[in-house]
Amino acid sequence: GQNIDQPTEMTATEGAIVQINCTYQTSGFNGLFWYQQHAGEAPTFLSYNVLDGLEEKGRFSSFLSRSKGYSYLLLKELQMKDSASYLCAVSAPNSNSGYALNFGKGTSLLVTP
Amino acid sequence: GAVVSQHPSWVICKSGTSVKIECRSLDFQATTMFWYRQFPKQSLMLMATSNEGSKATYEQGVEKDKFLINHASLTLSTLTVTSAHPEDSSFYICSARDVNRDSQETQYFGPGTRLLVL
Repeated sequence: GQNIDQPTEMTATEGAIVQINCTYQTSGFNGLFWYQQHAGEAPTFLSYNVLDGLEEKGRFSSFLSRSKGYSYLLLKELQMKDSASYLCAVSAPNSNSGYALNFGKGTSLLVTP
Repeated sequence: GAVVSQHPSWVICKSGTSVKIECRSLDFQATTMFWYRQFPKQSLMLMATSNEGSKATYEQGVEKDKFLINHASLTLSTLTVTSAHPEDSSFYICSARDVNRDSQETQYFGPGTRLLVL
């Protein structure tokens, strides 16, 4: 089966840096995605990693280590609007659809003043 | 990023009625679309994969006769919840698979449809 683990909740202060970790155990691997989801809304795409290393995109960076089954999302210069749920998703082979996304339960991030 | 629309955004219906949800990729063609369901404070659960021009494939535990999927064109997939019951009340989200020139696949999500069955 597929297992994606990430912390349930995190709190950080406006202007600070926060790192959200994700560990995974999947049958096959075709990339790891991070999505942001505000309450009552659909997820929006943040980043994609398929090779080891760090991908930087503005205030957001994502890291992947395939050998360790580990990724993190780094958010810098936190803003109040960054309060949301952050979903780690691993693309893995699926007998129905070729590859499918397997989602973790999400990390609810609260940014405080 | 690519844009996916979903309609309607909210549905309230009586038990026993059928509800149709549309998912459209607006600026790209998607041979594959996915339908997810999300209960409060839970993760997204894949229900089925919708392939243009062929039958949808369903995940284990999802009734294909209850959740009818049609992918009639490269930009439109529909999900029909037949004879809806209160336990079907949930947040239904579609996504469309986009492949760029580097063969990188990304799923872009629609805004979701919140279904409440009374």
